Amino acid sequence: DIVMTQTPLSSPVTLGQPASISCVSSQSLLHSDGSTYLSWLHQRPGQPPRLLIYKISNRFSGVPDRFSGSGAGTDFTLKISRVEAEDVGVYYCMQATQSPYTFGQGTKLEIK
Amino acid sequence: EVQLLESGGGLVQPGGSLRLSCAASGLFFHNYAMTWVRQAPGKGLEWVSGISGSGGWTDYADSVKGRFTISRDNSKNTLYLQMNSLRAEDTALYYCAKDVARDWLNAFDIWGQGTMVTVSS
Repeated sequence: DIVMTQTPLSSPVTLGQPASISCVSSQSLLHSDGSTYLSWLHQRPGQPPRLLIYKISNRFSGVPDRFSGSGAGTDFTLKISRVEAEDVGVYYCMQATQSPYTFGQGTKLEIK
Repeated sequence: EVQLLESGGGLVQPGGSLRLSCAASGLFFHNYAMTWVRQAPGKGLEWVSGISGSGGWTDYADSVKGRFTISRDNSKNTLYLQMNSLRAEDTALYYCAKDVARDWLNAFDIWGQGTMVTVSS
């Protein structure tokens, strides 16, 4: 199984400041079809997850442009350029390159 | 607006069975792969099973293989998860989610609110 490791597990951030979450996979996520199926999801307390980013860097419909994704191979990053209050919650990376599809442990973003 | 509504959760004894349903609306259901993801209380997300738009491809996590069966009825816009031989470790909130692709799993763009399954005597 591909293990997804996120750091940090907890991130206290000041409103208006940037935030960054790292996700490292135990194997390359480059699929034989040439795509890399790495996505980022956000889960607010008591809510289902929602998709933010797919295939490394593609923002899903309606996602603010302060969210960006980057990376390749085994190393990926989610960046929030200026954190807003609504960004609190847990962020997960997920790989769909190889079954079983796996998630990172989650990174809790909280406001200082 | 695309909506997914899960149902069928509840309290069941170890060894028992449940069938979860996920009713979809606002989309051409047969055009999308679908998946089940679960979240144990206070824990992270765990992928459970997936199915292609046609139903011809299915896949399972090792933890549920041989016990759970995913299926879909495209005429009813509904996804199912038949869960047999339930164990305490299956206790979780079960989400159904829509994939962005049709034939395999890629990224999960629309999620339901979830249905809770509790396995306990």
